[in-house]
Amino acid sequence: DAKTTQPNSMESNEEEPVHLPCNHSTISGTDYIHWYRQLPSQGPEYVIHGLTSNVNNRMASLAIAEDRKSSTLILHRATLRDAAVYYCILRGVYGGSQGNLIFGKGTKLSVKP
Amino acid sequence: DAGVIQSPRHEVTEMGQEVTLRCKPISGHDYLFWYRQTMMRGLELLIYFNNNVPIDDSGMPEDRFSAKMPNASFSTLKIQPSEPRDSAVYFCASSLRGGSTYEQYFGPGTRLTVT
Repeated sequence: DAKTTQPNSMESNEEEPVHLPCNHSTISGTDYIHWYRQLPSQGPEYVIHGLTSNVNNRMASLAIAEDRKSSTLILHRATLRDAAVYYCILRGVYGGSQGNLIFGKGTKLSVKP
Repeated sequence: DAGVIQSPRHEVTEMGQEVTLRCKPISGHDYLFWYRQTMMRGLELLIYFNNNVPIDDSGMPEDRFSAKMPNASFSTLKIQPSEPRDSAVYFCASSLRGGSTYEQYFGPGTRLTVT
């Protein structure tokens, strides 16, 4: 299975942008890049996903490198509520076991007031 | 919709006892997943169902664990007998479809402590 590499932890100041990197050098052409986050004492929640093009939604933006070997989750203005563990996950396009979520260790984001 | 509902939220039991965790997925979702989270192993997929049928249970740790989905709105994860190493947070999740573009919605989890 294609794997992802993320920094263990990152710090940000409140109301500043945050760029969370993810490396996935063995990504296949049909793998989607998904981001989930887990707030303290809660279940994971979906953030965003993309295949090749950059994506925006109300929560964040996803910037995907042209060669797709890396991506960056962008939180435009971090709030204290964004302090969480962020998981970058590759999901195969065919669903089934290839489309399952396989969680790594993620990046623990701390937000300072 | 109320989201994925799990009960109980906390369970403390003694080694050897039977434990049953419950999950109500989001209405209309075809897929249901059970995960376990521990400090040592992180988040692991235990089993998932499609239209109430178990599809992949390769993540179930051993025969002491069993899961059922008798109907589209209810699933159980049972541990019999329970052991201290089963202490973890168990999450249930559901998704509309099983493809890679469909997000999974997670419940709040059940924190299980086996003494």
